[in-house]
Amino acid sequence: GAGVSQSPSNKVTEKGKDVELRCDPISGHTALYWYRQRLGQGLEFLIYFQGNSAPDKSGLPSDRFSAERTGESVSTLTIQRTQQEDSAVYLCASSLSPGLGNEQFFGPGTRLTVL
Amino acid sequence: AQKITQTQPGMFVQEKEAVTLDCTYDTSDPSYGLFWYKQPSSGEMIFLIYQGSYDQQNATEGRYSLNFQKARKSANLVISASQLGDSAMYFCAMSKAAGNKLTFGGGTRVLVKP
Repeated sequence: GAGVSQSPSNKVTEKGKDVELRCDPISGHTALYWYRQRLGQGLEFLIYFQGNSAPDKSGLPSDRFSAERTGESVSTLTIQRTQQEDSAVYLCASSLSPGLGNEQFFGPGTRLTVL
Repeated sequence: AQKITQTQPGMFVQEKEAVTLDCTYDTSDPSYGLFWYKQPSSGEMIFLIYQGSYDQQNATEGRYSLNFQKARKSANLVISASQLGDSAMYFCAMSKAAGNKLTFGGGTRVLVKP
């Protein structure tokens, strides 16, 4: 497919469990972003990767959140010891480069529900 | 810190009429970008239009236009000739030069009535 893909599309977990969310960016896109969208709210920036540079983790809400990306390919967002407040849709986006104004193409999101 | 404010939580608009969605922003950076995204009930984020802080003219994309008033720090979206398919959430977002990461407003829900 040509677009950004994310898996799983839905994830239900119990409080305290760890979850891993996956994002496949558009091929050739060097910049990759993770956002979180709580019900009825706008998106919140979490983390940003650009090539092999150190990621910008300034939006991660706590040390339970971490993310990795290998080169310019797949990224995984890991949430450890999940809490009910982590319930949200997690959206991944990629862009050709991180230059100002470059369109970010969003994936369909992963809906996380923590019981 | 950057901040985006969308003061209209919801709006009704009659089909074929125009609608203006408000967006104000706050930043101390001289270089920044302003985006509008549409999010239908399916949840996907659809890019609509972009305006750079140094762009002299207001951006237009088909039925979408951005009314950029830099001194007032506003970037309102105008949708002309509304269609039923325009019913969705609309988000205003801002980015700055370093990294282009987006800061979003809270959104405005638009419902187009036949």
